[in-house]
Amino acid sequence: RKEVEQDPGPFNVPEGATVAFNCTYSNSASQSFFWYRQDCRKEPKLLMSVYSSGNEDGRFTAQLNRASQYISLLIRDSKLSDSATYLCVVKDGANNLFFGTGTRLTVIP
Amino acid sequence: NAGVTQTPKFQVLKTGQSMTLQCAQDMNHNSMYWYRQDPGMGLRLIYYSASEGTTDKGEVPNGYNVSRLNKREFSLRLESAAPSQTSVYFCASSEDGTTTFGFSYEQYFGPGTRLTVT
Repeated sequence: RKEVEQDPGPFNVPEGATVAFNCTYSNSASQSFFWYRQDCRKEPKLLMSVYSSGNEDGRFTAQLNRASQYISLLIRDSKLSDSATYLCVVKDGANNLFFGTGTRLTVIP
Repeated sequence: NAGVTQTPKFQVLKTGQSMTLQCAQDMNHNSMYWYRQDPGMGLRLIYYSASEGTTDKGEVPNGYNVSRLNKREFSLRLESAAPSQTSVYFCASSEDGTTTFGFSYEQYFGPGTRLTVT
């Protein structure tokens, strides 16, 4: 079983739509959680860390459910510039990072 | 401030050839990492270095060697390339420790090297 699993998509949504991505992780001892963004043929870049209580950064909201080992990312009012692949990343107690395969989002004009 | 730089950007090798991928960072980070990214697999850690002079194996180290030449540079060597090593290779670096909220500091990635082994 993969450490981190994501729906690969693709998600094709119109501008202005709200879209949600989900991610599950297998190691209950995981300690830190992140969402990275990766544009086509570019390197991954940190989008946001995921706090236990959930957190928001502008149009982006991240949630963590430790009991279900589940992380989500909600994007409101989608922009064309949000088109990218979103990577769910989990850190275990030994400082190892595990990356999901990514969920591809295309925002359509 | 260039961040993390990698050379070369693209490389084609024949099976059995060797090569070294170079990585350098100018952020004074202690920790550096090498990953490979394959379709449907996500990024997988090959090797990492917690400080100058130390290296440790990651999830997929077979067929690779690394050298932490100094604090800035961390190279990845393929001694005898195989078609299974066709991939995109990313170098990354990060600060040590955790933030006020207990999170690891983010990893900064280089632009990647696209390697094809025929």
